[in-house]
Amino acid sequence: DTGVSQDPRHKITKRGQNVTFRCDPISEHNRLYWYRQTLGQGPEFLTYFQNEAQLEKSRLLSDRFSAERPKGSFSTLEIQRTEQGDSAMYLCASSLGVGRGYEQYFGPGTRLTVT
Amino acid sequence: AQRVTQPEKLLSVFKGAPVELKCNYSYSGSPELFWYVQYSRQRLQLLLRHISRESIKGFTADLNKGETSFHLKKPFAQEEDSAMYYCALSLPSGTYKYIFGTGTRLKVLA
Repeated sequence: DTGVSQDPRHKITKRGQNVTFRCDPISEHNRLYWYRQTLGQGPEFLTYFQNEAQLEKSRLLSDRFSAERPKGSFSTLEIQRTEQGDSAMYLCASSLGVGRGYEQYFGPGTRLTVT
Repeated sequence: AQRVTQPEKLLSVFKGAPVELKCNYSYSGSPELFWYVQYSRQRLQLLLRHISRESIKGFTADLNKGETSFHLKKPFAQEEDSAMYYCALSLPSGTYKYIFGTGTRLKVLA
């Protein structure tokens, strides 16, 4: 499967713990996005990387959240001191090009449950 | 602010009936719109993008700038069309991030 992959697929953690998620985009894609989806809502944008540079962060991304994309390949999203409100599906997407018409390809998501 | 509205959370139709999933957007510029579909236990996948004006799996969608709509249509629904459908607006500058609607669950009844 050469699509976007995410690991782990499910994570259950206790409030206050730190968690880290990984996303491996399609290999030639230079654009990488993180979204968060809660029950009954569409995905909401969190952050964007072009190659290794993080170019935009949503105000949804509090200072407990940090994302990296070293060497412009895989990306990690870390949540420190998790709260119950962090429970959601975290989606990663990648895209090939710059400009109109380049769709995003989504991974299967990581479902986080904070107890 | 940019926004995408899908007014129906659930749409149930009988097999063979026409389907229309509504999507309205608010954006002052020239929008780029997509429909994504999520089948049970699968990832989000692209169904249609307005810029290519194609028909996929019998679905079509036309951008109506006057009504700021991008409704998804299919003349004859099939049971395998049952899924969650999301309309997404891509902001055509900078990041090209998506703004999604809340989605519509389509159930096609036998």
